[in-house]
Amino acid sequence: GAVVSQHPSWVICKSGTSVKIECRSLDFQATTMFWYRQFPKQSLMLMATSNEGSKATYEQGVEKDKFLINHASLTLSTLTVTSAHPEDSSFYICSASGRGQGAEQYFGPGTRLTVT
Amino acid sequence: AQTVTQSQPEMSVQEAETVTLSCTYDTSESDYYLFWYKQPPSRQMILVIRQEAYKQQNATENRFSVNFQKAAKSFSLKISDSQLGDAAMYFCANFGNEKLTFGTGTRLTIIP
Repeated sequence: GAVVSQHPSWVICKSGTSVKIECRSLDFQATTMFWYRQFPKQSLMLMATSNEGSKATYEQGVEKDKFLINHASLTLSTLTVTSAHPEDSSFYICSASGRGQGAEQYFGPGTRLTVT
Repeated sequence: AQTVTQSQPEMSVQEAETVTLSCTYDTSESDYYLFWYKQPPSRQMILVIRQEAYKQQNATENRFSVNFQKAAKSFSLKISDSQLGDAAMYFCANFGNEKLTFGTGTRLTIIP
């Protein structure tokens, strides 16, 4: 099956700094990647959708200047949390879908971000 | 806008018994897909089963089956012969308009 990896799996950063999370499709070309945020004991909330080579489409209420998304290749998308604050602490999950895969999304294992 | 509602925050079932998790949805799309995902303590999202809205036949995957009632916009998941490894959060999701919308989840506990 299709495999998606995320790095790092866990990161702690200080308030005011930036942190980058990578999402890679390991065995298929991901034409579309999605970024989700999940608070403890809550559901997944879509933050943004990115297509390779295009600007990301952000969901309403998501600050595009704070959460920078880059999808520069068919196997890599990055999420950069800029000027992080404690309220940005959360579990971030990416998923990817390939050409011809329709609605099928393959999920990464997630990244736990803690901002101190 | 799409919405997905899971009215059972928690469910429990005896090992080897059958349990049904409820899900209702609303969408203005005519072409959409429905999914059940499992999220164990590792938090890795695992696809359990999918249903294309245009298909009338209910999807089945081994011990997992769905009851898809399109007119009622209902999409329940039945787990037969429950096993300890089935313990997890279960999310119902609707894919339409190029995005996946999740319900709030049902925490399933398996009683040995």
